Amino acid sequence: KQEVTQIPAALSVPEGENLVLNCSFTDSAIYNLQWFRQDPGKGLTSLLLIQSSQREQTSGRLNASLDKSSGRSTLYIAASQPGDSATYLCAAHNFNKFYFGSGTKLNVKP
Amino acid sequence: DTGVSQDPRHKITKRGQNVTFRCDPISEHNRLYWYRQTLGQGPEFLTYFQNEAQLEKSRLLSDRFSAERPKGSFSTLEIQRTEQGDSAMYLCASSPASSYNEQFFGPGTRLTVL
Repeated sequence: KQEVTQIPAALSVPEGENLVLNCSFTDSAIYNLQWFRQDPGKGLTSLLLIQSSQREQTSGRLNASLDKSSGRSTLYIAASQPGDSATYLCAAHNFNKFYFGSGTKLNVKP
Repeated sequence: DTGVSQDPRHKITKRGQNVTFRCDPISEHNRLYWYRQTLGQGPEFLTYFQNEAQLEKSRLLSDRFSAERPKGSFSTLEIQRTEQGDSAMYLCASSPASSYNEQFFGPGTRLTVL
């Protein structure tokens, strides 16, 4: 069974810092890896989707990388803003199911 | 395209009661997934449908849980004889046939069992 781990569980940074969130998975036979944002009490908003054949995807200040062989993905957030405060979840897609990590709770201080 | 919708958004019930949640996927999305999320954890897979067929169920889905998607459009998730341990956020997601790789989530239904 796929196991997904996210480190750190929580992160607090001052506004303007660049930061990296980590996601690791045990089964490298994934179709893709998806990063989501979740605000308190809300559903999940898709941020980036990386296909298994890709190494990275970029959207605005966000860049996600994927290294299947080592079972790792990172989400890089440039020039963080208070509005980025949320929980960030990664999900590995295996055999028609998506396996989620427990998330990294990010707080960006003004 | 109005996105995935779920109803109700919040449900408070007493232990032992039955509850039913509804999910309306994005139009033309033929895959529909149900997840459960408890505080501080990521969503856990419960079940998924391709059109009206329920293709897989998690062991988390006990006999008290049943899901349907009768016409391949909206889906319902029913919990019978609710227990306090059922308190969680229930999330629905859908995927288009053109890209089963990507999921689009609804806002969730928050269930509290007293």
